[in-house]
Amino acid sequence: QLQLQESGPGLVKPSETLSLTCTVSGGSISRSSYYWGWIRQPPGKGLEWIGSIYYSGSTYYNPSLKSRVTISEDTSKNQFSLKLSSVTAADTAVYYCARLPGNSNYAWFDPWGQGTLVTVSS
Amino acid sequence: AIRMTQSPSSFSASTGDRVTITCRASQDISSYLAWYQQKPGKAPKVLIYDASTLQSGVPSRFSGSGSGTDFTLTISSLQSEDFATYYCQQYYSYPYFGQGTKLEIK
Repeated sequence: QLQLQESGPGLVKPSETLSLTCTVSGGSISRSSYYWGWIRQPPGKGLEWIGSIYYSGSTYYNPSLKSRVTISEDTSKNQFSLKLSSVTAADTAVYYCARLPGNSNYAWFDPWGQGTLVTVSS
Repeated sequence: AIRMTQSPSSFSASTGDRVTITCRASQDISSYLAWYQQKPGKAPKVLIYDASTLQSGVPSRFSGSGSGTDFTLTISSLQSEDFATYYCQQYYSYPYFGQGTKLEIK
C-alpha cells in the first residue's frame, strides 16, 4: 500500500526558505509514470495546489507561486522535496504531499500524506 | 485560472437526510472534476473522480454528477461519519480547488 510522509521544520522565519521532504513507501517514484504533488492549506482555509513533479523530473508550478517554488526528487531515497523561498506569514499552512493517479499533471490527488504544519514566524 | 465555486459554504443536516453540494466552474471543464472529504486534522480523501466515478472503497451512498460547468455531490442517506468538509477540484487545467462546504449536524 502506497504511503507518503512529509517531514521538515515546523517553524521558519520570515524571508527564509521553507524546505519539506515527502518520503514515499510501498512504491517507487522512479519506476512508475506518476506525478507527485504538493498542496497546502492555511489554518481554517481551503486547499491550494503548489506544484507537481513527474517521475522523469519535469516540474509544474502554480503560477501564483512559481517565482518562489522549486520541487525536486531524489530517486535514490524515494523522496521528492519542496522549497519555498522568501516566506511570509501568509505561507503558514499545513503542507501535504500526494500522488496524482494516471500519467498526467492534470489529475486528482490520491493518496495523501498526513500533512505537516509549517508556521512562519520570527 | 479556472475557478471553482461551491455552494453552500456550510449547512446543517440530520442523519438519514439526502444532501446535495454544488460546484460550479468558471469555464467548461468537461468531466475533469474530483470530490474530496476532509475531517478535522486529517488529509483530504478522494470520493469521486472524473465527475462520477466512485473511488474504490467509498460507500455507494456517495455519488457525483455533472459535466461542463455544473457539478453535484450527493449523499443519499447521511451517516454520522459523513459530517465533514467537502471540496471539489478541477483538473482540466492546473489543479484548483473549490472553497469547501462544511456539513454540520443539525
